Amino acid sequence: DAGVTQSPTHLIKTRGQQVTLRCSPKSGHDTVSWYQQALGQGPQFIFQYYEEEERQRGNFPDRFSGHQFPNYSSELNVNALLLGDSALYLCASSFLFGQSEPTYEQYFGPGTRLTVT
Amino acid sequence: AQKITQTQPGMFVQEKEAVTLDCTYDTSDPSYGLFWYKQPSSGEMIFLIYQGSYDQQNATEGRYSLNFQKARKSANLVISASQLGDSAMYFCAMKGEGGADGLTFGKGTHLIIQP
Repeated sequence: DAGVTQSPTHLIKTRGQQVTLRCSPKSGHDTVSWYQQALGQGPQFIFQYYEEEERQRGNFPDRFSGHQFPNYSSELNVNALLLGDSALYLCASSFLFGQSEPTYEQYFGPGTRLTVT
Repeated sequence: AQKITQTQPGMFVQEKEAVTLDCTYDTSDPSYGLFWYKQPSSGEMIFLIYQGSYDQQNATEGRYSLNFQKARKSANLVISASQLGDSAMYFCAMKGEGGADGLTFGKGTHLIIQP
C-alpha cells in the first residue's frame, strides 16, 4: 500500500517564476492538505482540499492556489515566487468522511524542497 | 487563534533513558485534538500519538505516551527507553478550530540520543 507521494523531490526556481507541486494521497484517502515548512520552523498550514474544492485555508496570500482532481490527487501552485517561498512543502492526506468514526490522522509525504534564487 | 509552544529547542539524552518533550497550547475551542509528529532528517513527518480533548485517559502508543494536563493546557510527550533511532525533530500540533482539519504546529524540539 503506497503512502503519500510527492513530486518533484527538489526544485530550483527563479524569483518571479511560477511553480507546480504534485501530491498523490494514500490509498483510500479523500482529503489533501498542504503545508509550508521554512528551515528551522514547524510546518504552516496552507490549505486543504476535499471533493475537489478548497475546504479550509491558512494565512497565505492568493499567490498560493491549488487543485484537487477526481482521483483525489492534488497540485499546489505558487505564482510570482519570492525568495521567502523557499521551503519544504509537505502534503498530507486523510480520510474525513464516510466512516462511522472519521480518522483524525494525517499521513505526510516526503515533501518537495523548493529553492527560489 | 490557536498557538502551540515548545520551549526546548534541543535536548541531549542518554540511550535507554526516558525523555519528556514539553508542549503547551492555547485555544478557545472547547473541542480539539493534540498530535505529536517525528521528523527525521529525511523530512517526512511521522505520526506518533494523538490525544482528544475529551479523552478520559492519556494516550499511549508503544514507547510513546502523552501526559495530558487539560487544566494546565499541556500535552507533553514521554518516550520511554530511548533509542538511537529516536534522534529527530519532534513537533507538537493541534487540530484546527471548529473541527477543521488544518494543523497548527509548534517550532519543534531537536532530540539527540547519545550512546
